[in-house]
Amino acid sequence: EAQVTQNPRYLITVTGKKLTVTCSQNMNHEYMSWYRQDPGLGLRQIYYSMNVEVTDKGDVPEGYKVSRKEKRNFPLILESPSPNQTSLYFCASSRPTGHTQYFGPGTRLTVL
Amino acid sequence: KQEVTQIPAALSVPEGENLVLNCSFTDSAIYNLQWFRQDPGKGLTSLLLIQSSQREQTSGRLNASLDKSSGRSTLYIAASQPGDSATYLCAVEDAGNNRKLIWGLGTSLGVNP
Repeated sequence: EAQVTQNPRYLITVTGKKLTVTCSQNMNHEYMSWYRQDPGLGLRQIYYSMNVEVTDKGDVPEGYKVSRKEKRNFPLILESPSPNQTSLYFCASSRPTGHTQYFGPGTRLTVL
Repeated sequence: KQEVTQIPAALSVPEGENLVLNCSFTDSAIYNLQWFRQDPGKGLTSLLLIQSSQREQTSGRLNASLDKSSGRSTLYIAASQPGDSATYLCAVEDAGNNRKLIWGLGTSLGVNP
């Protein structure tokens, strides 16, 4: 089954404790992206990757890092999480421009 | 700067009713527009994608139209069912090189049996 998976689905952590949210897709898509969703602000892009070893900042990259060492994986790293990073995070993947973007189930992160 | 607006923010209808959800965007320079469905605790499901050169797309009871020149799209749901209850999100793919989706805040739809 074609899908985008994210882990963990739910995470409660404390300020400053490094964490990684994994994202994996099995569709051989070149493009991958991370969004966060917040009430009243909607979804905003954090980082994106056009292909392996090619990543760039989206609209809200502060406090986040990403890597794209393999085509299927695009982990989101929070080196020192803060409470303002409490949010619902979505990973997406797609073929090149003009094609549907597929989304993972989301990761709900709470930083205390 | 592209902005996407969805009206209404919430809608409650009786089962069987036909309904229209609206989406507007400020910059016509888009590659495409997508409608998504979001269920509580679940991810985002793509419903329809309309390329910038297209006027509409249909899938089952759903029909989406696009008028790029006026910056508007509508999602028409025929014969609504309780299972259609969800939040419907509209997103435009920015005509830049990063494939960024610009999102509306969604319309929360409730269909009552």
